[in-house]
Amino acid sequence: DAKTTQPPSMDCAEGRAANLPCNHSTISGNEYVYWYRQIHSQGPQYIIHGLKNNETNEMASLIITEDRKSSTLILPHATLRDTAVYYCIVPDTGRRALTFGSGTRLQVQP
Amino acid sequence: DADVTQTPRNRITKTGKRIMLECSQTKGHDRMYWYRQDPGLGLQLIYYSFDVKDINKGEISDGYSVSRQAQAKFSLSLESAIPNQTALYFCATSPGQGSYEQYFGPGTRLTVT
Repeated sequence: DAKTTQPPSMDCAEGRAANLPCNHSTISGNEYVYWYRQIHSQGPQYIIHGLKNNETNEMASLIITEDRKSSTLILPHATLRDTAVYYCIVPDTGRRALTFGSGTRLQVQP
Repeated sequence: DADVTQTPRNRITKTGKRIMLECSQTKGHDRMYWYRQDPGLGLQLIYYSFDVKDINKGEISDGYSVSRQAQAKFSLSLESAIPNQTALYFCATSPGQGSYEQYFGPGTRLTVT
């Protein structure tokens, strides 16, 4: 998988937007960016994915830069239940499964 | 009811014992996966299956075997458990067709003493 780089940890105040960055400078033109999160010891949860256009769903928004070398996951109004490890993944289309790195640990503060 | 279920949820076993972890899904997906997570680390892929007749090794398959009994069932076995196989084990499913959306079960916490 294309290498991704995420900060190991971030804090966010409850009710504020949480902006989680991810660098993927070696991404290829047809590779998607996927985001998952894992709330303490639970199974990871799919959040969103995108190719080059910005995407939004009921959970989050994904902003991908025009050169596609980085992206930002936005949780518009973070709650305490959003405290989790967030994984940014660029699957290698030649592989058939995901590679989970160490992700960003987001702590939402009351 | 959960779309992906795993049994047991917790298991303590002794070194050398054979143990089977089971996964069932009601999502109708062809693709199923087994991952392992050690404390404080990311997930590592053990085995994956794209249909009943297609089984593939992942990054850390040594010491493990799998069986795809049906589209909905994918079992992971530890033939002779050892303490460093103590971990969280997750099963996942995916619709495939170029998608990497995966849906995970709640996990099995396995302790080998």
